[in-house]
Amino acid sequence: GNSVTQMEGPVTLSEEAFLTINCTYTATGYPSLFWYVQYPGEGLQLLLKATKADDKGSNKGFEATYRKETTSFHLEKGSVQVSDSAVYFCALDNQGGKLIFGQGTELSVKP
Amino acid sequence: ETGVTQSPTHLIKTRGQQVTLRCSSQSGHNTVSWYQQALGQGPQFIFQYYREEENGRGNFPPRFSGLQFPNYSSELNVNALELDDSALYLCASSADRATYGYTFGSGTRLTVV
Repeated sequence: GNSVTQMEGPVTLSEEAFLTINCTYTATGYPSLFWYVQYPGEGLQLLLKATKADDKGSNKGFEATYRKETTSFHLEKGSVQVSDSAVYFCALDNQGGKLIFGQGTELSVKP
Repeated sequence: ETGVTQSPTHLIKTRGQQVTLRCSSQSGHNTVSWYQQALGQGPQFIFQYYREEENGRGNFPPRFSGLQFPNYSSELNVNALELDDSALYLCASSADRATYGYTFGSGTRLTVV
C-alpha cells in the first residue's frame, strides 16, 4: 500500500543553520507529494508541493525535489529562523485527494 | 476568502456518547475531507465528500459518518465514543485539489473520558 516515512525528530538547530528533513514514500503509480507545516495549536498549512518526477516545489525559502528514482522528497532550507519552529509533515496523494501523511518531524530552532 | 473554520475548538465527551463536529469551507470548495490526528502522529484520512456524496473512506468504522451541505459546510459525526477517539479532528477543503491542494482548518480537539 501507500505509505510515507519521515526522519524522526525532534530536530534542533541554531538559527541560520541548514535544514534537511528526509522523506521517503512507497506508492504505486505517480503520486503528488506535499510538505505541510503545523504550528502549535493550529491546523496544517501547505508549504510546498510537486506533482511529477523532477519537479521542485519551493516556498518561503524551503525546497523539495520529487525524486522518483529514490522515492524521496526531502525538505531543505538554507538558513532557518526561530519562526520556522513547527512540526513538518510529508504527504502523498495517490488516490484522488486522500492524503497519506508521515508521522511528522518536530523542528526547534534556537536563537 | 474566509478560510476553513471548524467548531467547536475543544470538546470533552464521555465514553459511549455521540458527537458532531462542524466545518465551514470557503465558497466554491466542493470537496471536503476529514482527518483524525492522534497526539504525536500524522493525520489519518477518515473520509471525503464531493458535491455532497461520500467519495472515499479510510480505515474507520461505520460509527464515523459525515454529511456535506450545499452551502459548503460539513459535519463529522461519531457515535458510541471510545477513549481512543480522543484526537484532533481536521477538516480540509478544496475547489480543485490538482491545482490548489487542500486548505485545512485549525481542528477540533476532542477528549473522551
